[in-house]
Amino acid sequence: NAGVTQTPKFQVLKTGQSMTLQCAQDMNHNSMYWYRQDPGMGLRLIYYSASEGTTDKGEVPNGYNVSRLNKREFSLRLESAAPSQTSVYFCASSPRAFKNIQYFGAGTRLSVL
Amino acid sequence: AQKITQTQPGMFVQEKEAVTLDCTYDTSDQSYGLFWYKQPSSGEMIFLIYQGSYDEQNATEGRYSLNFQKARKSANLVISASQLGDSAMYFCAMREDQTGANNLFFGTGTRLTVIP
Repeated sequence: NAGVTQTPKFQVLKTGQSMTLQCAQDMNHNSMYWYRQDPGMGLRLIYYSASEGTTDKGEVPNGYNVSRLNKREFSLRLESAAPSQTSVYFCASSPRAFKNIQYFGAGTRLSVL
Repeated sequence: AQKITQTQPGMFVQEKEAVTLDCTYDTSDQSYGLFWYKQPSSGEMIFLIYQGSYDEQNATEGRYSLNFQKARKSANLVISASQLGDSAMYFCAMREDQTGANNLFFGTGTRLTVIP
């Protein structure tokens, strides 16, 4: 039972570099999410995809783009990384059914120097 | 205003004792959901328990129970018979069904340490 798989687990970037964080789920969930977690704070929503083919901004979307490639995969792209984007990034998915519980991946720890 | 408030940055509990982690929430939605997640030192977020705003009974999942007091807008997590493996960060979160069913609002977390 893989659940939600995120790659890579760790990444170090230089300011201005770009990269894509990958996320895939094997639970046949309709909705997928990207959050960031900063020290001393709870998780904050960056973008979400309520269903295949749709994406919408969350609380903190600036500096990010997303792609819902298919029902399984939802990627997060940093076009020009900044030190303020140093964070732990979590992908989650939910069935959009009763309770709509979100299930999380293991996270990607990103440092931007 | 913060939607989720967790006022205990850290808590200690003796092994085999019960512990209550506090959570208060703020919403004007009539329909909402409340969640607790556990984050061990390995970093993953593990779903523990869910309470819907219209659920009349407090939610229970094994050693976890959610003490839901709607009028006080509190959703405290009770862990019974604490184990060493319960040492982790615990996050309370809320989903508002009218204003944004796709977003979970998280508190800042409580670090629980279980003492042998």
